[in-house]
Amino acid sequence: ETGVTQTPRHLVMGMTNKKSLKCEQHLGHNAMYWYKQSAKKPLELMFVYNFKEQTENNSVPSRFSPECPNSSHLFLHLHTLQPEDSALYLCASSQDHGDDGGYTFGSGTRLTVV
Amino acid sequence: EDQVTQSPEALRLQEGESSSLNCSYTVSGLRGLFWYRQDPGKGPEFLFTLYSAGEEKEKERLKATLTKKESFLHITAPKPEDSATYLCAVRVTTDSWGKFQFGAGTQVVVTP
Repeated sequence: ETGVTQTPRHLVMGMTNKKSLKCEQHLGHNAMYWYKQSAKKPLELMFVYNFKEQTENNSVPSRFSPECPNSSHLFLHLHTLQPEDSALYLCASSQDHGDDGGYTFGSGTRLTVV
Repeated sequence: EDQVTQSPEALRLQEGESSSLNCSYTVSGLRGLFWYRQDPGKGPEFLFTLYSAGEEKEKERLKATLTKKESFLHITAPKPEDSATYLCAVRVTTDSWGKFQFGAGTQVVVTP
């Protein structure tokens, strides 16, 4: 375990379903992130939460909705997804900008949309 | 536009056969270049941060170097446990909070 825990590890959902991904960090970091990783593509930043305030939304479709109730927990709510949304969704945390220590990533949720 | 390109896409090495991975970047102003290692089924694991040209950092069999246009990750006498995908990422001086530009990665397989 890296100190960032993601659940579930695997998720299969239909296009009309609603589901949520959960991320929890035990490192005392003050920033958390959602990234999307598709095969053979660079990681794509989706959302950034700094001190519980969303500071970055990289033009993510509204079918993805983040929630950060406190500095240790981060959720990604999913609804009416498309098959092209199938990917590995990674949560990460950092202290401040994460320059010296980088980000600490969770193991991800492998999402399949059918 | 900021861009990060990693090469090769994949690399197959014999145990003990040293090699280098390349990360070339085009950015408006570099704040830091980062290397990560990613094992199958896991998230990336932080390895190094490099801040300025000429800087070098080492960790076990890995050594990262930085020039004004590219970074190299040298793997010396690799072992099978060094098999992973290696990712580089850059932060630019003008970016907003915590935003990295990642490369697509180099998949390294080390065979006994």
